[in-house]
Amino acid sequence: EAGVVQSPRYKIIEKKQPVAFWCNPISGHNTLYWYRQNLGQGPELLIRYENEEAVDDSQLPKDRFSAERLKGVDSTLKIQPAELGDSAVYLCASSLGGPTLGEQFFGPGTRLTVL
Amino acid sequence: TQLLEQSPQFLSIQEGENLTVYCNSSSVFSSLQWYRQEPGEGPVLLVTVVTGGEVKKLKRLTFQFGDARKDSSLHITAAQPGDTGLYLCAGAPTGGYQKVTFGTGTKLQVIP
Repeated sequence: EAGVVQSPRYKIIEKKQPVAFWCNPISGHNTLYWYRQNLGQGPELLIRYENEEAVDDSQLPKDRFSAERLKGVDSTLKIQPAELGDSAVYLCASSLGGPTLGEQFFGPGTRLTVL
Repeated sequence: TQLLEQSPQFLSIQEGENLTVYCNSSSVFSSLQWYRQEPGEGPVLLVTVVTGGEVKKLKRLTFQFGDARKDSSLHITAAQPGDTGLYLCAGAPTGGYQKVTFGTGTKLQVIP
């Protein structure tokens, strides 16, 4: 069974440019997460989806970040315009969801460098 | 926002040594997980603990959930180079099972 797929794996852009990341979760996983991770630190939640509904986006910088999960499957995270401080690894994860804390399955991440 | 502080932040040890990593919070968690992350990859789940005082063993790794469900520890016996990685605890608040907060991380290096 395929795991969580993310693309691209690496992205280098200049500040003020837009960038988009794509995530395909594990089939059947209702919950999808986007995290940002700085080097050597723990992931920070940006947004969590239950099916196609964004149920927790309190940490998403909405002035420049946007996300969507059309049809409750694939998801896209966009930054426009990018700033130097956005350089990080962007991780996507999915889980079955439900009433107990389940395992999150992570993709390999997209490493973003903003010059 | 519930904060999870891990200590130490960095740990470099020789192969065969024992070590303990701590995960602490002032908040109560309904359950807590430990993940390991290797360079260039996403975190991978090691264990989930749900009961205060619970102890789980996974080969040379021993996980404990504090009695008050505010803290946890990970003990590795006879560390091996393959244990090298970033160890992350992650907790879920009561009633918000999918609302997970990750800890600050402990970077472990095991030298052959």
